[in-house]
Amino acid sequence: GAVVSQHPSWVICKSGTSVKIECRSLDFQATTMFWYRQFPKQSLMLMATSNEGSKATYEQGVEKDKFLINHASLTLSTLTVTSAHPEDSSFYICSNLFGTEAFFGQGTRLTVV
Amino acid sequence: KQEVTQIPAALSVPEGENLVLNCSFTDSAIYNLQWFRQDPGKGLTSLLLIQSSQREQTSGRLNASLDKSSGRSTLYIAASQPGDSATYLCAVCEAGSYQLTFGKGTKLSVIP
Repeated sequence: GAVVSQHPSWVICKSGTSVKIECRSLDFQATTMFWYRQFPKQSLMLMATSNEGSKATYEQGVEKDKFLINHASLTLSTLTVTSAHPEDSSFYICSNLFGTEAFFGQGTRLTVV
Repeated sequence: KQEVTQIPAALSVPEGENLVLNCSFTDSAIYNLQWFRQDPGKGLTSLLLIQSSQREQTSGRLNASLDKSSGRSTLYIAASQPGDSATYLCAVCEAGSYQLTFGKGTKLSVIP
């Protein structure tokens, strides 16, 4: 199956700072990647769809200016949480599609203090 | 809007027991359904993918079934082992969008 590498696996940052999370598709080129967020004991919720060379598509209720997505190459998508606050603390995870099968990165545990 | 429900939310069984996890979804217009495993603080590992035209898929001790018309899927785990302890997530891929909608998962504990 497709391999997705996500970095970092965990990060602690101060309130008001920005954090960048990287998601790499290691063994094939992904024109589309997906970013999810998971709060404790909740489902994974789709935040946005990252499209190579064009703007990301955000789900309702997700602030595009707060969660900046860049998909500059066919193997790399980044999510930047800008001016992070404690309520942004969550588990962020990316995925790509190989055919119609989804493969996920290892996830990033973000804690904002 | 697609909704995915998993029952039970948590399950504890003794080692060696066979078990069934349930998943239901409200909109049958799907491309496929995937079962994932998630260990605490980790990413998702794909276990089985069932295309909308298929009825079941098997991998080792795992068997997943799909009844699209009734909006149900089951994951059967045979001869459970302590290493099977994890949260199992069901997700449906919606036709037309390729977006996944997840259930909240079933947390499985296999007691040695």
